Amino acid sequence: DIQLTQSPSFLSASVGDRVTITCRASQGISSYLAWYQQKPGKAPKLLIYAASTLQSGVPSRFSGSGSGTEFTLTISSLQPEDFATYYCQQLNSYPITFGPGTKVDIK
Amino acid sequence: QVQLVQSGAEVKKPGASVKVSCKASGYTFTGYYMHWVRQAPGQGLEWMGWINPNSGGTNYAQKFQGRVTMTRDTSISTAYMELSRLRSDDTAVYYCAYVYSSSPLSHPFDYWGQGTLVTVSS
Repeated sequence: DIQLTQSPSFLSASVGDRVTITCRASQGISSYLAWYQQKPGKAPKLLIYAASTLQSGVPSRFSGSGSGTEFTLTISSLQPEDFATYYCQQLNSYPITFGPGTKVDIK
Repeated sequence: QVQLVQSGAEVKKPGASVKVSCKASGYTFTGYYMHWVRQAPGQGLEWMGWINPNSGGTNYAQKFQGRVTMTRDTSISTAYMELSRLRSDDTAVYYCAYVYSSSPLSHPFDYWGQGTLVTVSS
């Protein structure tokens, strides 16, 4: 199975901050990586797929990069509605796996 | 617009089975794969498997092989996930999620149901 690790696991930031979350895969997954945002009591929401493609309707302050085993999600200017938990997901091979999540909290 | 509406919360005893439904609307149900994902309280996301609503074909995560059954009823655009021999660590929110692609792999989960809480307790 492909293991995904995320760093940091917790991040405290202020509105307007630039935030970067890293996801590392235990083996190469090409660009088959997606990022999701989840708020308490809600289903995950797709933000980015194919490592760097922004899902329709997602604000342009979100961006993704990387390929192979190392990926990043960047929020260029953190907004109040961005405080949530972020998960990466690999879609390269079965079983499909998710990272453990990064919680972004208000400083 | 695409909607996935899941059945309501369930409370089950250890050893019992639970069947969660996911009613789809706003797209051609038989055209796209449906995945199931679960999330234990305060924990991360865990993929369980998928069903091809057109053929009924399935692919289950090895962890759930022998305990999970995914089915569908195309006449009412509804997918089902049944988990048997429930244990306390099966307590989780169960989500259905649809993939806007003819392939179940390589493409992300575009839309998710609202989730169904299954509590396993004696």
